[in-house]
Order: sequence, then structure tokens, then C-alpha cells
Amino acid sequence: GAVVSQHPSWVICKSGTSVKIECRSLDFQATTMFWYRQFPKQSLMLMATSNEGSKATYEQGVEKDKFLINHASLTLSTLTVTSAHPEDSSFYICSAPTSGRADEQYFGPGTRLTVT
Amino acid sequence: SQKIEQNSEALNIQEGKTATLTCNYTNYSPAYLQWYRQDPGRGPVFLLLIRENEKEKRKERLKVTFDTTLKQSLFHITASQPADSATFLCAPNSGGYQKVTFGTGTKLQVIP
Repeated sequence: GAVVSQHPSWVICKSGTSVKIECRSLDFQATTMFWYRQFPKQSLMLMATSNEGSKATYEQGVEKDKFLINHASLTLSTLTVTSAHPEDSSFYICSAPTSGRADEQYFGPGTRLTVT
Repeated sequence: SQKIEQNSEALNIQEGKTATLTCNYTNYSPAYLQWYRQDPGRGPVFLLLIRENEKEKRKERLKVTFDTTLKQSLFHITASQPADSATFLCAPNSGGYQKVTFGTGTKLQVIP
């Protein structure tokens, strides 16, 4: 099946710094990618939809100035957590659909962010 | 508001038995419903999709049912194995196929 990668797999940063997380579709092109956040023992919550060539669409309650999304190409979306705080510590996961079919969406392995 | 509920308690079953996980939803009219598996520290992996006009779907040892009247989906794993231990997430969706909205997940533990 299709592969979605994320980099880094984990990162520790100091409070107030910014962190960039990459999501790549390795063997297919994705005009749309999705970013999720998962806190311990909770489900994945959709944060935003990343659109190649246009602005990202954010879910209600997600600060777009804090979570900057750039869909630089058909295979790469980046999520930058700006001025990170300990409460931003979470597991960030991206996904990308390979086609118009609902069952052809693949998730990345996730990035564990810890803000100290 | 829309709500997706799965067994919040972990489900422990004996190896070889059938595991049954429940997904209930409210204020939804999903055109289809998906089930995913998530292992600790990993992203979800797609397992099965069932559409609103399908009552049942099977894939190897997995079986999913979809009752739009009860607003419920059941996910069965037959002849369960310790390797089936994971968290299982349901995702009822209505249009906007790309946006996956997940339930809270049920953690399954298969005991040898």
C-alpha cells in the first residue's frame, strides 16, 4: 500500500521555541493532507486540512497562527508549532488520501512532541 | 452535537475467542463507517469500510456490521490472537470522505 512518512519521529524542544514536523507521501501525490493531534489515552482530533497551493483549513478551536501549515508540494506538508508550550506536547499524526476513495487514506507513523 | 462512542473500558479476552467491539454514534447520518487499528506510538491503519447500504462486511478474521437504525456498528475479530492486541477506532463519516472523524477507541487485549 501507499506510504506516508513523518519526520522527526520524536522531538524535544524548550518552551518558546518553534518546531517543524514534515509529512511526506512517498509513492503518490497528495493535493490534500490532514493533521491530527492525539493526547495520551485520547482519540485523534483533526486539527487542519492542508491544501497544496492554497491556505490550510483549520478546525474550530485550533489557532492558525500557532500551528502553521505549508503544503509546499504534492508530496510534502509541514506543520510548524510556533512558540511551543508544554501544553502543546502531544502526538501529531498526518494522513493523506491516495484517491477519491474513502478507504484509500494512509496515516503517517506520528511525531511525538515534548515541550519542556 | 455529533458524538461517537466506543467502549471506554479496555476489553480483555482469551486467545481463540471472538472479540466484539461496539461503536455508537449520535447526530450523524454516515454514508459509511470505517474501522482502524492503532498500535501504541503509531498512526492508525485502515482495516475495513462499510457503507450505509451494507449490513455486513468481512475481511479474513474481521467482520463489521452496520445498523443505521440503531446507529451502531459492531466490529468482530474471530479466533483472536495476542497479535490482535491494539486500540481499535471507528470513524463514521458522511460525505467529505477525506476528513476522518474518530471515536474514542477501544483497547483490546488478547490474553494467551
